[in-house]
This record gives sequence, C-alpha cells and structure tokens, in this order.
Amino acid sequence: EIVMTQSPATLSVSPGERATLSCRASQSVSSNLAWYQQKPGQAPRLLIYGASTRATGIPARFSGSGSGTEFTLTISSLQSEDFAVYYCQQYKNWPPWTFGQGTEVEIK
Amino acid sequence: QVQLVESGGGVVQPGTSLRLSCAASGFTFSSYVMHWVRQAPGKGLEWVAAIWFEDGTNKYYADSVKGRFTVSRDNSKNTLYLQVNSLRDEDTAVYYCARCSSHLTGTAPSDYWGQGTLLTVSS
Repeated sequence: EIVMTQSPATLSVSPGERATLSCRASQSVSSNLAWYQQKPGQAPRLLIYGASTRATGIPARFSGSGSGTEFTLTISSLQSEDFAVYYCQQYKNWPPWTFGQGTEVEIK
Repeated sequence: QVQLVESGGGVVQPGTSLRLSCAASGFTFSSYVMHWVRQAPGKGLEWVAAIWFEDGTNKYYADSVKGRFTVSRDNSKNTLYLQVNSLRDEDTAVYYCARCSSHLTGTAPSDYWGQGTLLTVSS
C-alpha cells in the first residue's frame, strides 16, 4: 500500500498571500496524483489531477507540480473561499486508492 | 449535470447491518467505475470500496471493511449500493459515493462526489 504524507498539518496564511502545500508518496506514483479541496459540511472537490492539470472550472491561482514521490499544491493569492482542507490522493497503485491526511489552510 | 445522491444512513447498533444507496444521474452510469469513500467525524478521507462498470464483476475493498461490506450496482436503476454488515463503532462516518473519471481504468481521480450520508454506529 502506498502511504501519502502531507505537510504541514495546518498552514496559517493571510488573504492575498501564497500558500504552498506538500504531499509525499512512500513510493513513486509517477504523475497519478490528485488534489481535492473540502470545505466544512461539503463533499471533496477535485482541483488537480495528473499532478498538474486543473480540473474543469478551477481558477488559475491553483497550480500543482511534481512527479514520482514529491508533489506541491500552490495557491498563488489566497481568496477567502480558499480556506479549507486539502487532500492529495494517489491513483497509480490500487487497491487501495490512498489519501493523505490533509492540510488545513486557515486564516492568519 | 452529473448528480450523485446518497441515502440510507442513520443511527444503528454495533453488530447490525444497513444498506447505503447512491442514485446517479446526468451521465451514463454503466460506463464508469464507482467508489465509496468515508470520513469519520473530524478525520480525513478513507477509500472503502470500488466496483467496475458494466456488470460490476470486479470489486475491491479496503482491508478495514473486507468481509463485512459488499459493494454492488444496478445499472438499470443507475444506483450504487454499499451493504454494511457487522458494524463497529469505528465505522461511524459520512459515506460518500464518487465517480471515477475514467471509462476504462481505475487509474484516475474521482471527478464527482455526492454530498454523503452519515452512518452512526452506537449502542
């Protein structure tokens, strides 16, 4: 089973600032990596797939990078609606499809 | 538009059974791999089960539920099911159904999610 590890657990950022979230896989997942956003009381929403491709309707301030075992989600200028929990997920080696434990982006 | 609507959750006692449902609309349900993913209160996402398209012959389970949960689908009703048996306290969670974005393989993310149904296991 591939273990996904996200850091930090919580990220405190001021509106308008850049946020950088990390995700590490216990073995290579190539580019088979997705990022999801989840707000309280809501279902997860797909943001990024293929490590760097934005899903339909996702603003350009969200970008993903990396391959193999190290991945990054960057939010270039945080808006109020971006404060949420972000999860990475690998879908290369399954089952299981595995998620990271999440990074909460909170208002500083 | 794509819609996934879960139902069937509730409060049940340990050791009992329940069937969760996910009604799909807005896409050709029979062509997609479908997942169940759960989230315990205040915790992260945990993949639970997956079922392949067409006749749903291929099924996969997380070790934590193997032998207790059964995923199935009725393509004529555009509905996904999760039969949950021998329930434990640690099965308490919001259960989401999610569509795999690929027609052909499980090597793809989940592009649409339902709003979830809460299952509480408590004596």
